[in-house]
Amino acid sequence: EAQVTQNPRYLITVTGKKLTVTCSQNMNHEYMSWYRQDPGLGLRQIYYSMNVEVTDKGDVPEGYKVSRKEKRNFPLILESPSPNQTSLYFCASSPPSSPLHFGNGTRLTVT
Amino acid sequence: GQQLNQSPQSMFIQEGEDVSMNCTSSSIFNTWLWYKQDPGEGPVLLIALYKAGELTSNGRLTAQFGITRKDSFLNISASIPSDVGIYFCAGGTSYGKLTFGQGTILTVHP
Repeated sequence: EAQVTQNPRYLITVTGKKLTVTCSQNMNHEYMSWYRQDPGLGLRQIYYSMNVEVTDKGDVPEGYKVSRKEKRNFPLILESPSPNQTSLYFCASSPPSSPLHFGNGTRLTVT
Repeated sequence: GQQLNQSPQSMFIQEGEDVSMNCTSSSIFNTWLWYKQDPGEGPVLLIALYKAGELTSNGRLTAQFGITRKDSFLNISASIPSDVGIYFCAGGTSYGKLTFGQGTILTVHP
């Protein structure tokens, strides 16, 4: 089944403890992206990648890192999480110039 | 950055009623997309629009790409309880850049 898989689905952590949210897609898509969803703000892009080893900042990149060493994987790294990064995170992928396919989300709470 | 204004923010309607929501922007977009998000899941594409003036239907859903390229609307006819969810518009410019609206929360009362 074609899908975007995020792990974990839920994560509670403490301020400053590094964490990684994984994202994997099995559709051979070139483009991958991370969004965060907050009430009243919709989906805001954090980082995106047009292909392997090509990444760029979205609208809200501060406090996040990404890497794209392989086509299928696009992990989101929070080196030192803070409470304002408590949010619902979505990974998405697509072929060039095509609509995004989204994962089922990761709900992160930073205390 | 670019911003989209999506309205209304929420709607509470009776089953069988028609629904209309829209997005406007001060910027021009090359594509308009409409997504629906069910609770606990990621957004799923409903309709994609690629040309100014384009009117596209998908079952009970109809969406239009505004002629000015700065707006789009989504209509849902004869709503049913499973239409409940959050609806997002998204405007696309260059490859890789999508700007999302704030979302419309739809509640359908049986």
